[in-house]
Amino acid sequence: QSVLTQPPSVSGAPGQRVTISCTGSRSNIGAAFDVHWYQHLPGTAPKLLIYVNNNRPSGVPDRFSGSKSATSASLAITGLQPEDEGDYYCQSYDSSLSAVIFGGGTKLTVL
Amino acid sequence: QLQLQASGSGLVKPSQTLSLTCAVSNGSISSNFESWGWIRQPPGKGLEWIGYIYHSGTTYYNPSLKSRLTISVDGSKNQFSLKLNSVTAADTAVYYCARGSLTDFFDLWGQGTLVTVSS
Repeated sequence: QSVLTQPPSVSGAPGQRVTISCTGSRSNIGAAFDVHWYQHLPGTAPKLLIYVNNNRPSGVPDRFSGSKSATSASLAITGLQPEDEGDYYCQSYDSSLSAVIFGGGTKLTVL
Repeated sequence: QLQLQASGSGLVKPSQTLSLTCAVSNGSISSNFESWGWIRQPPGKGLEWIGYIYHSGTTYYNPSLKSRLTISVDGSKNQFSLKLNSVTAADTAVYYCARGSLTDFFDLWGQGTLVTVSS
């Protein structure tokens, strides 16, 4: 069981907007540790999507955005495209565990 | 564009040592502002942080693996390595090497290598 909780799956039709939540606690997100998001498409290496809560690396479309508040964070994807289908992970740091932590991952299905 | 490529033993017997190396190309491993890390994904499960190392040799390990884990760096070969001893079937996973930042995110990943622990 992951310290960061994500929904196992989300889905949406092409062109729609979806959000993926990442719920933590006072020892990680709530302790002001940054949240990062990764996209993991089948057969590829994970790709950094959002870093330090709401920043996009060069080359990541502005359809992807991140936010953070209190003990949770969210990834929003607008204008869903078939190629967005895959797994998405949030990541932070936990001071109680003294460890980098990942959420359990969310499978995005584009209907 | 800097690239990372993991390689090593694909099949390891229980109780033995898992050894992997990550070769860094098109860039230097000698930066003081980047870490070099390992993350794994067991079959059907999510990502798990293993640990990372700085060029200085300073290491940070997942406490759940620390007693079995050694990560080292070789600046002359531009590569870093992972050794995990006393492996069990639970260590079967795709192992990724990645470049880390000072704020703990990983901005570049290698393709990953499957390691199976089986007799």
